[in-house]
Amino acid sequence: AQTVTQSQPEMSVQEAETVTLSCTYDTSESDYYLFWYKQPPSRQMILVIRQEAYKQQNATENRFSVNFQKAAKSFSLKISDSQLGDAAMYFCAYRRGTQGGSEKLVFGKGTKLTVNP
Amino acid sequence: ETGVTQSPTHLIKTRGQQVTLRCSSQSGHNTVSWYQQALGQGPQFIFQYYREEENGRGNFPPRFSGLQFPNYSSELNVNALELDDSALYLCASSMTGFYNEQFFGPGTRLTVL
Repeated sequence: AQTVTQSQPEMSVQEAETVTLSCTYDTSESDYYLFWYKQPPSRQMILVIRQEAYKQQNATENRFSVNFQKAAKSFSLKISDSQLGDAAMYFCAYRRGTQGGSEKLVFGKGTKLTVNP
Repeated sequence: ETGVTQSPTHLIKTRGQQVTLRCSSQSGHNTVSWYQQALGQGPQFIFQYYREEENGRGNFPPRFSGLQFPNYSSELNVNALELDDSALYLCASSMTGFYNEQFFGPGTRLTVL
């Protein structure tokens, strides 16, 4: 079974600074997808960034980027120029890529990010 | 384009009762997934429905059941409620395909007393 581990229950960052959230995962599959989701106090889960395992290039979305280390099974999220609106719970998630079966997401326990003004 | 909606927002039940939670998929989506998120935890996969058929199930007992309707909306039913069923229940819809994002609803907060 696949597992996702987020070792930082809480992180804080000063506004305009950079912060990195860690995630490791365990799988025996070679084809999969990794995600970072943001869950603000409003509870609605929002996709931040996605990485396909077969792609060597790290994904980027504006101020958000990942460091994907496939051999180490590591998938960290870097937030640059942090803004007050970035404060939320961040979840790392895994989804198998093999055709057939459900497209379920396996989530880590989350990291609570606080942004200080 | 209407996003994923869930009802009710909050719900309080007593142990042993039954509950039905509802989810309306985003327009054009044919797959619905349900997740349970206990306080301070990440979401746990309950099951997924594709074209009205269950398409995968997580480690949840049979008293958790679901339906998907022809318009792709969905229900989650929980029988014989237990205190540990208190959680946020999230619904996510998507178009089947490995490049397609799951869009989440705001969730239903269930409290079992």
